[in-house]
Amino acid sequence: GEDVEQSLFLSVREGDSSVINCTYTDSSSTYLYWYKQEPGAGLQLLTYIFSNMDMKQDQRLTVLLNKKDKHLSLRIADTQTGDSAIYFCAEMTYKYIFGTGTRLKVLA
Amino acid sequence: GAVVSQHPSWVICKSGTSVKIECRSLDFQATTMFWYRQFPKQSLMLMATSNEGSKATYEQGVEKDKFLINHASLTLSTLTVTSAHPEDSSFYICSAPPEGQPQHFGDGTRLSIL
Repeated sequence: GEDVEQSLFLSVREGDSSVINCTYTDSSSTYLYWYKQEPGAGLQLLTYIFSNMDMKQDQRLTVLLNKKDKHLSLRIADTQTGDSAIYFCAEMTYKYIFGTGTRLKVLA
Repeated sequence: GAVVSQHPSWVICKSGTSVKIECRSLDFQATTMFWYRQFPKQSLMLMATSNEGSKATYEQGVEKDKFLINHASLTLSTLTVTSAHPEDSSFYICSAPPEGQPQHFGDGTRLSIL
């Protein structure tokens, strides 16, 4: 199947860490991506991970990949109000399959 | 970094009108571009793959006569929504992959059909 599932909504306080989870179904995915979408805008690539890696860190962002469980997570350290947006994971097989999106709300 | 530009960002028009949306890769060439549709509070749905110099490849369930795609150059793909109706109102987003890089997305076009 081509279902990529995410929780719909997450709310955290400013300064806390946020963890956004994603489960995918296609084990042949080569790359997995995290995108951010602000209201009325397109998608901004945040980070991506190759399928033979299990962790990637990029400044405040940490991506964890559990290939056995087909589980991907994005951790945002020291979450700021400007991080409020919708976050999409995506897997790349022969095309992009996007997750359902997680709306992150950061409370000041 | 690589930039994908979409135009217009918002268009409102009457039912029955045809609307053209442009997607440009500003600092790289793209033999392939992708068109997505996004309904409110939903994820992106791939509509079609635009191929430079050849016909677009449409996803199942997408009407190719309704959504005309032209990829006439290595930096421009256009999506024309023909005889648009209110149910075509949506957010349309294009993307293109610079060589060896992930997809870069345009800022999207909000289409509102009255």
